[in-house]
Amino acid sequence: DGGITQSPKYLFRKEGQNVTLSCEQNLNHDAMYWYRQDPGQGLRLIYYSQIVNDFQKGDIAEGYSVSREKKESFPLTVTSAQKNPTAFYLCASSIGSGATYEQYFGPGTRLTVT
Amino acid sequence: AQKVTQAQTEISVVEKEDVTLDCVYETRDTTYYLFWYKQPPSGELVFLIRRNSFDEQNEISGRYSWNFQKSTSSFNFTITASQVVDSAVYFCALSGVNDYKLSFGAGTTVTVRA
Repeated sequence: DGGITQSPKYLFRKEGQNVTLSCEQNLNHDAMYWYRQDPGQGLRLIYYSQIVNDFQKGDIAEGYSVSREKKESFPLTVTSAQKNPTAFYLCASSIGSGATYEQYFGPGTRLTVT
Repeated sequence: AQKVTQAQTEISVVEKEDVTLDCVYETRDTTYYLFWYKQPPSGELVFLIRRNSFDEQNEISGRYSWNFQKSTSSFNFTITASQVVDSAVYFCALSGVNDYKLSFGAGTTVTVRA
């Protein structure tokens, strides 16, 4: 089945540690996105990538880093510089970039940092 | 800047009641897209509809219907004869034609009681 895989579903880390969230898609989509969701808030864009080896900062990129070495993979690293890392993280992909293309979302990773 | 307001934080109804979710948006773009997504308890966002700013026709899909009114910058969503499976968080989102991101509202939590 085609889709987006995010693993793990739940992730726990100690403060001060970097952690990498996985996102894989087999939809052959060019564009991929990372969003953060906090309780009672909508999703906010962290990073997006239109093609392999290219990515752009979203609205809340500070404390995060990404890479796009393969079309199907877009991992997100939450660094120790991120002041409030505990959140629900959603990865998405679309055939192309821009609003004309529907974004498909993965199941999300819930990160808890203590 | 794009902004989406979902004034209703939570709505609780009894099964078979109709429920309408409000969405008001702000944008300076003349061409833009509006979206509705459903987020069930599992966490994954499910795409429901995309509407471009030039198409003000209302749309019906089964028990779902959407009312787009450009004059009031609103894109409301109605679930007719609600069912327990409709319980979820519903997000309205907006994107300009040249945007790479979706600007989300804070979401409305719908609880349908049996």
